[in-house]
Amino acid sequence: GDSVTQMQGQVTLSEDDFLFINCTYSTTWYPTLFWYVQYPGEGPQLLLKVTTANNKGISRGFEATYDKRTTSFHLQKASVQESDSAVYYCVLGDRNNYAQGLTFGLGTRVSVFP
Amino acid sequence: EAAVTQSPRNKVTVTGGNVTLSCRQTNSHNYMYWYRQDTGHGLRLIHYSYGAGNLQIGDVPDGYKATRTTQEDFFLLLELASPSQTSLYFCASSDAAIYEQYFGPGTRLTVL
Repeated sequence: GDSVTQMQGQVTLSEDDFLFINCTYSTTWYPTLFWYVQYPGEGPQLLLKVTTANNKGISRGFEATYDKRTTSFHLQKASVQESDSAVYYCVLGDRNNYAQGLTFGLGTRVSVFP
Repeated sequence: EAAVTQSPRNKVTVTGGNVTLSCRQTNSHNYMYWYRQDTGHGLRLIHYSYGAGNLQIGDVPDGYKATRTTQEDFFLLLELASPSQTSLYFCASSDAAIYEQYFGPGTRLTVL
């Protein structure tokens, strides 16, 4: 079945550092890939979405591109702020198996210190 | 902006108790979902529905029932609550199964 792997459970940074979160996915067909962000005390919210390989999703200074060859979908941001502290989820939607809905990774907790 | 509300926001019950969690969405979305979120497990899908009267089983359905009474309302029922069901529960809605999901603020359930 479909799966998503986020190897980093936690990332600790200082303000203005570069953020890079690894994500790999497994699916048999054509995925739509999402990054969701969850701030403390809130539900997850959509950060960005990419529907086509090699296209870039950009939102709020974050960007992600998915590589079909390596089945990767990494999230990055050039300069993080303390307000970016949150849990980030890599999420897969399989357009050939849409009855299953979305598959969430386990999340990466990002802590940014001033 | 999608709006999903959940009630109650916090609930404490005892083992064997009967609990109903409520979710309402006001965006005419077809799909609604119930997840639980636990440390080390991320978000796990309990049940989902693609319309009033419809119910689909998710990945962790044991011990849970659900009912979709209208397009707007989706309920999660725990008829004999157990401590293992202590968790943070999220409801979400989407226009279709693989479109972006909009989440509610969550209900924290504690089963003593």
